[in-house]
Amino acid sequence: DQQVKQNSPSLSVQEGRISILNCDYTNSMFDYFLWYKKYPAEGPTFLISISSIKDKNEDGRFTVFLNKSAKHLSLHIVPSQPGDSAVYFCAASLPTGTYKYIFGTGTRLKVLA
Amino acid sequence: DTAVSQTPKYLVTQMGNDKSIKCEQNLGHDTMYWYKQDSKKFLKIMFSYNNKELIINETVPNRFSPKSPDKAHLNLHINSLELGDSAVYFCASSHRDGNEKLFFGSGTQLSVL
Repeated sequence: DQQVKQNSPSLSVQEGRISILNCDYTNSMFDYFLWYKKYPAEGPTFLISISSIKDKNEDGRFTVFLNKSAKHLSLHIVPSQPGDSAVYFCAASLPTGTYKYIFGTGTRLKVLA
Repeated sequence: DTAVSQTPKYLVTQMGNDKSIKCEQNLGHDTMYWYKQDSKKFLKIMFSYNNKELIINETVPNRFSPKSPDKAHLNLHINSLELGDSAVYFCASSHRDGNEKLFFGSGTQLSVL
């Protein structure tokens, strides 16, 4: 039972354009969402997060949007750069006291120069 | 200084052997985790520890035994290794539970032959 889903295993985008990565979740108890970036042979590194009380959070080229009614979040990268090529995981956490972060299966982003 | 370090990075061993993976964090975090990334690239939580106490054991076989000698360390011991244990194991930590980002180690690639 996968509570966090990333339905696109891969995405290719031209350098300079916008990359949009999507994530859907099923558990309405999730109250905090995160995006991680992972290069080969490295651990995931934190990118950006959003609390369930917000619908948008921005950090430089990265913006995360949360649509609670649709149980959907997306990560926008503008402009995309070749160094952004990596696997992106979305993750969700349950309220404090559960010690549990649940990850999606990842989307491989390739930014073409 | 590496925030979350785990050793070894690669581990190749025969079925039936016992092996350990070590993890240390120098971030002063209270909570540590073990995640497993299987062949389908799904990052699945195995254990959560808070202040050296086991909080979550996600139906992991009891051949896997985590040990936390202090808040900064969470080691993973695996007995009687099986082919299906082959995966990448990631250690992670967070300041506390909930609404906090996870910091990951670089992973241990375990190959059971």
